Parts: sequence; C-alpha cells; structure tokens
Amino acid sequence: EDKVVQSPLSLVVHEGDTVTLNCSYEVTNFRSLLWYKQEKKAPTFLFMLTSSGIEKKSGRLSSILDKKELFSILNITATQTGDSAIYLCAVPLANAGGTSYGKLTFGQGTILTVHP
Amino acid sequence: DTGVSQDPRHKITKRGQNVTFRCDPISEHNRLYWYRQTLGQGPEFLTYFQNEAQLEKSRLLSDRFSAERPKGSFSTLEIQRTEQGDSAMYLCASSPNIDPNYGYTFGSGTRLTVV
Repeated sequence: EDKVVQSPLSLVVHEGDTVTLNCSYEVTNFRSLLWYKQEKKAPTFLFMLTSSGIEKKSGRLSSILDKKELFSILNITATQTGDSAIYLCAVPLANAGGTSYGKLTFGQGTILTVHP
Repeated sequence: DTGVSQDPRHKITKRGQNVTFRCDPISEHNRLYWYRQTLGQGPEFLTYFQNEAQLEKSRLLSDRFSAERPKGSFSTLEIQRTEQGDSAMYLCASSPNIDPNYGYTFGSGTRLTVV
C-alpha cells in the first residue's frame, strides 16, 4: 500500500524565519508528488513535482523532489503570519504504465504556525 | 461558479440519524472524489466516480456509507445511522478526465459533528 509520511507534524516559528517541510513516500508506481496548503477549508494546490532535482518556485515558496531517496521538501522563506496553515503532501495512485487514477494518498500534514 | 461547491458547510446531528451531503463539481470535470479528513490527519480517500460510474470504494466506506452521482454531474454522500466516529470533514474534489494530476480541485468541505 502506498505510504506518505510528513515531518515535522507541527512547527512554530516567528515572522521572517525560513522553514523546511519534509515529505517521504513509498509508492508502487510513482508518477508525481503534489503539495497543498490548507487553511481551515479546501486544500489549495501549490506544486506538482515529477522530476528529480528541478526546483519549483512560487514567490517565497519552493519545492524539490529526490526520486532516488524518495522524498520532497517544501521551503518557505521570510515566513509571514499568512503562511500559517496545514501543508499537505500527496501522491497519486498510478499503474505500471504511469497512468494516474487520480486517487491521492496524503501524508498527515505539517501544521505551521507563524507568530508575529 | 468555477469552483467545487459543497453543501452544507456544517452539519451537527445526533447519533443514529442519517445525513446527506452534496457536491457540485467543476462542470467540465468528469472525475469526482470523496475524502474524509479527521483532526490532525491528511484527507483519506473514500470513493471516486468517472461520470456516473463509481469506480472504486475504500474499505473505509462501510455499508452505512453510500455515494451516488446519478447524472454524472453532482454527487451525494449519505451516512446512515451516524456514529461519533463519523465526525470529520468530508471533502469533495473533481478533476479532468484526461490527466487528473492537473486541475485537481477541492471543495471547502462539509464538517460533520455527531453528538
């Protein structure tokens, strides 16, 4: 069974700090890894990663994938109180041919709290 | 409305009652998914539809749970004889048929509290 593990489970920082969130995975047929941000309601999409070593960036957020070591990290620089949320990592179920079924396996999430 | 809509946003019910939730996906999305999220956990897959066909059900979906998507548009999730352990956020998502890795969109969820 596919498995996704995130660490740390919670993190408390002050504005301006830089944080690194971790996601490791064990899946039968890897296709991609997704990061979401959840603020009390719908998870919203941040990044999709398919290739090792290629950094995806969006403002102060960036993410990278290591398919050899089976993990991904999400970095947030110069954190702001608005970054407080649950950050979820997910992997789609896929068959041996790489076709995704769309069903996502999520990690437990990292609860990030940014204090002013 | 271009997003995924869920109704109601909150539901409080007494143990043993039946509840039904509704999800309206993005109109051009053929795939619709239901997930359950309990406090401190990531969402867990329950079931999904391609058009009106229910293609997979998780073992988490006991016989008290039933989901339908009769016309391939909106979907309902019914829980019969609710138990306190059913208290959770129920999330719906939809995605395009061709590659669900793109455009996978969640609704805001229905938070169920069973008292």
